[in-house]
Amino acid sequence: AQTVTQSQPEMSVQEAETVTLSCTYDTSESDYYLFWYKQPPSRQMILVIRQEAYKQQNATENRFSVNFQKAAKSFSLKISDSQLGDAAMYFCAYRSYSNYQLIWGAGTKLIIKP
Amino acid sequence: EPEVTQTPSHQVTQMGQEVILRCVPISNHLYFYWYRQILGQKVEFLVSFYNNEISEKSEIFDDQFSVERPDGSNFTLKIRSTKLEDSAMYFCASSELAGNQETQYFGPGTRLLVL
Repeated sequence: AQTVTQSQPEMSVQEAETVTLSCTYDTSESDYYLFWYKQPPSRQMILVIRQEAYKQQNATENRFSVNFQKAAKSFSLKISDSQLGDAAMYFCAYRSYSNYQLIWGAGTKLIIKP
Repeated sequence: EPEVTQTPSHQVTQMGQEVILRCVPISNHLYFYWYRQILGQKVEFLVSFYNNEISEKSEIFDDQFSVERPDGSNFTLKIRSTKLEDSAMYFCASSELAGNQETQYFGPGTRLLVL
């Protein structure tokens, strides 16, 4: 069975600085998707970025980028120029090609210091 | 921007009572999901639903749970006889497509407390 591990329960960063959130996963599959979701205090789970495992190029969305290391089964999220609005829980999630369910990490609480 | 909505935001119920959690998926979406998150634990998949039937379910989704799309807009999760361990945040999600283009969009959740 697949598992997702986020080893950092909490991270803090100074506003305008860069922070990297870690995620590792375990799977025997070669084709899958990886996601980062953000959950602010309002509770709505918002998609930040997604990565298809067959793509070697790392996904980027504005200030958010990933470092996808398939061999190491690592999928970290880098947030550049951190803003106060980035404060939230960040969840890493895995989905195989063959089914629909997302498998989640435990989350990392990101604190932005003004 | 279209959003998934869920009602109620909070629900308190007595053990053994039935509860129905409601979700309105994004209007052109065809795939629907329920997840739950027990306090302090990971988000867990419960069930996925497509074309008026369950496409996948987890071990958690036993006979006490059921899902329904009673009309063109609502997607409901029913827990027939609630237990204390059903206390959790329940998230609904929907996606337009499955496969390569699939991204699940989530509602804000319903916090269920079983006393």
